[in-house]
Amino acid sequence: SSELTQSPSVSVSPGQTARITCSGDALSIQYTHWFQQKPGQAPILVIYKDTERPSGIPERFSGSSSGTTVTLTISGVQAEDEADYYCQSEDSDGNSVLFGGGTKLTV
Amino acid sequence: QVQLQESGPGLVKPSQTLSLICTVSGGSITTDNYYWSWIRQPAGKGLEWIGRIYISGTTNRNPSLKSRVTLSMDTSKNQFSLQLTSVTAADTALYYCAGTLYGDNRIESWGRGTLVTVSS
Repeated sequence: SSELTQSPSVSVSPGQTARITCSGDALSIQYTHWFQQKPGQAPILVIYKDTERPSGIPERFSGSSSGTTVTLTISGVQAEDEADYYCQSEDSDGNSVLFGGGTKLTV
Repeated sequence: QVQLQESGPGLVKPSQTLSLICTVSGGSITTDNYYWSWIRQPAGKGLEWIGRIYISGTTNRNPSLKSRVTLSMDTSKNQFSLQLTSVTAADTALYYCAGTLYGDNRIESWGRGTLVTVSS
C-alpha cells in the first residue's frame, strides 16, 4: 500500500495526553518517523524509528508501534505543542517515501 | 547535521520547467550516509515527497510525479537539483530540500523552503 492515514485533528486541554495515530500496511515492516510543524516553519523531527526521541526533544514526546498502526503520544501537553504533526515512512518496497496527511493538534 | 539552502526562481509560467538547487553546507553530498531529497507543501496543505537521489546516482521519485521529475547532483559545488517539467498551478508550493539518513530513512535536516508560484 502507498498511503499513510492520520486523523485530521486532535484537541486536548493543557496537561492532558494527546495521542496521534498513523496507519498503513507498510508500517508493520518499515520504520515510522514523526515531525512537528508550526506555522511558517520547516518540520522538526520529534520521534524517529517508531520510538526514539532525538536530543533536544522533550521527554513528554513518545512513540509506539503495533502492527500497522503507530502512535505519537504527547504527555502533559503544553500550549507550545500546538502544531501540525506528520508521520513519515516508506512503502513496502522501500522505493517511495510516504507522508501521512497530517494531524492538527489544538491545545 | 548538515545545513541546506534552496534557491531558484519564485515564479514559473505554466507549461515551463521549474528548476531548483539545494546547496549543502557542513558536510559533503558525496557521503554515503544521506539521501538528498525534495519535498513540497502547497499552502495550507500537507507534505508531499517528490524524490531523492543517492551518491551512487540512484534516484527514487514519487510515482505520481515520476514522468516530470529529474534529480541530479553537482559534487563540485556540493549541490543537488530538481527539475519539474510541464508545470501547472497545482505545482505551486513551498519546496524543501532535505537530507535523509540512509538506512532508517528519517529526514534529519531540512532547508527553510522556497516558495514557487506557477502563474502567467
